Amino acid sequence: GAGVSQSPSNKVTEKGKDVELRCDPISGHTALYWYRQSLGQGLEFLIYFQGNSAPDKSGLPSDRFSAERTGGSVSTLTIQRTQQEDSAVYLCASSRPNTGELFFGEGSRLTVL
Amino acid sequence: GNSVTQMEGPVTLSEEAFLTINCTYTATGYPSLFWYVQYPGEGLQLLLKATKADDKGSNKGFEATYRKETTSFHLEKGSVQVSDSAVYFCALRGETSGSRLTFGEGTQLTVNP
Repeated sequence: GAGVSQSPSNKVTEKGKDVELRCDPISGHTALYWYRQSLGQGLEFLIYFQGNSAPDKSGLPSDRFSAERTGGSVSTLTIQRTQQEDSAVYLCASSRPNTGELFFGEGSRLTVL
Repeated sequence: GNSVTQMEGPVTLSEEAFLTINCTYTATGYPSLFWYVQYPGEGLQLLLKATKADDKGSNKGFEATYRKETTSFHLEKGSVQVSDSAVYFCALRGETSGSRLTFGEGTQLTVNP
């Protein structure tokens, strides 16, 4: 597609449920990133993929969070046993490697009740 | 570790006013510096960048100069328009960060006619 596509755009879930967020990057972009944007906070780095491997997953806040990328394209961020503090906008971005120009999707807004 | 500090918002200006949004950073060596902008309902997009000391990035009438001596990258525009209303994020990519960007908290700008 023309841009980074994320789904769902909005997700409301109950505490304790698992959620999956999907990111479809720009075709040809080998680098993919997940960030989290909480109310009143900046963008918090979660994980970075180069191709299908994740050389930097240092930002994942707990072992409830995981992400995978298959075929060097689509990525899924999974949050298990969601907590209220997981409520945020989850942003995906893609880029060509080492350019610093990230192209962001519009985000998936997660609300945990 | 790397960090970015932006001036607190929100900032409200009248059309044609002068804009400054302050940004300072902490990083070892010589990071690359960026300003990203998020218009309402859209994903973040790169506004401008500078990759070495004393470089000036510019785009759409916005400018920012990479000042190593003051570890700053302040965003300026001489005459803002209503269409500049958005959230502005300062970011850096450290020398050893690979492709990972560290973002500031964002500054909400509202320009009134």
